[in-house]
Amino acid sequence: DADVTQTPRNRITKTGKRIMLECSQTKGHDRMYWYRQDPGLGLRLIYYSFDVKDINKGEISDGYSVSRQAQAKFSLSLESAIPNQTALYFCATSAYQGSGYTFGSGTRLTVV
Amino acid sequence: AQSVTQLDSQVPVFEEAPVELRCNYSSSVSVYLFWYVQYPNQGLQLLLKYLSGSTLVKGINGFEAEFNKSQTSFHLRKPSVHISDTAEYFCAVIPYNQGGKLIFGQGTELSVKP
Repeated sequence: DADVTQTPRNRITKTGKRIMLECSQTKGHDRMYWYRQDPGLGLRLIYYSFDVKDINKGEISDGYSVSRQAQAKFSLSLESAIPNQTALYFCATSAYQGSGYTFGSGTRLTVV
Repeated sequence: AQSVTQLDSQVPVFEEAPVELRCNYSSSVSVYLFWYVQYPNQGLQLLLKYLSGSTLVKGINGFEAEFNKSQTSFHLRKPSVHISDTAEYFCAVIPYNQGGKLIFGQGTELSVKP
């Protein structure tokens, strides 16, 4: 099994719909992150969590919310999807400040 | 605020040729430095990282990078590339005072041609 599992892998949804992207990790790390990737922009941080009770906004949190259900689970929600939220979304986890991140395989979301 | 700039959006190169992917960063505090690779339709994989010590860092798949503090650069190099190195490469930093948030550059697409 993968260290970081994202579901679904691909999703097409309609404008205005609520959608949840799920992430689970088996690394035992406290730190988890959600990023979105757009061509030419690299990856940008949406939300991050340093433990179950600590959730913080990243640079592009508008239109998104998160839930940290357990140390291993961190979900990203789009309350009312819009077309410019079409992107590749990555979940990641890390052990400490200087450690590298372990990324999931990504969720490709298309909002029509 | 911190930022990372990858100076080339696309780098085409022939197989067995050397390659350098350039990365500069801007930060008012010290940073940890990383290179990640993303193969088509996959997630990101850590290539190498610089935390402290020797400024020349060796990573997986024959890649290496050199940290130059005075030029705030962390360029990635490989002396001889293979077709399988075709991928997108991301430079990233974690500033010391940011609690571990990774800040990415825009990415460089390396295309290795036969």
